[in-house]
Amino acid sequence: AQKVTQAQTEISVVEKEDVTLDCVYETRDTTYYLFWYKQPPSGELVFLIRRNSFDEQNEISGRYSWNFQKSTSSFNFTITASQVVDSAVYFCALSESSTSGTYKYIFGTGTRLKVLA
Amino acid sequence: NAGVTQTPKFQVLKTGQSMTLQCAQDMNHEYMSWYRQDPGMGLRLIHYSVGAGITDQGEVPNGYNVSRSTTEDFPLRLLSAAPSQTSVYFCASSYLKTQKSPLHFGNGTRLTVT
Repeated sequence: AQKVTQAQTEISVVEKEDVTLDCVYETRDTTYYLFWYKQPPSGELVFLIRRNSFDEQNEISGRYSWNFQKSTSSFNFTITASQVVDSAVYFCALSESSTSGTYKYIFGTGTRLKVLA
Repeated sequence: NAGVTQTPKFQVLKTGQSMTLQCAQDMNHEYMSWYRQDPGMGLRLIHYSVGAGITDQGEVPNGYNVSRSTTEDFPLRLLSAAPSQTSVYFCASSYLKTQKSPLHFGNGTRLTVT
């Protein structure tokens, strides 16, 4: 079963529009962490933010904001006043315990964001 | 510091050939892992390791072997390459002691199997 679902495969917006990327996760852990990563056209993966399962406070960083809602198992990412440089693939990820007693990171399938000038 | 270094950046193999993708990190991270990225499939975990001598399977381990003899290195071996293994491979590492540690990724290896 998919543990991290990013239902939006591709989104196109015009520059300066706001856009929200959805992420829904599934886990049995009571303690877990959620992450967002950005993959620009150059291909590298860049860490953006993490959130733990006990902290539902929303976070804002410049034009980026994140909305974590445990009740709906969602961790959505909003870009305000989008710019062409925001064009990238965005991945949501979950860190949860593994059967070996440690933990592992599971990624969603990603959302490709295209910001048009 | 170099961070996570992957070699080679590009590789073309013929079906049945073997090769090793190299991954090294200089951050003293206990946790290392390999992912493959395919269109529409996102990043899928192949194998991971929580320390020297300890490895475990991820979501798509078949066709791949790993070993962890040192903290710094985590090579991924393809014993008999198949066209289905054409993909972009990423190595990633993090601190083990805390689950909140984000992954640090290498720049990827683009592998084509013909």
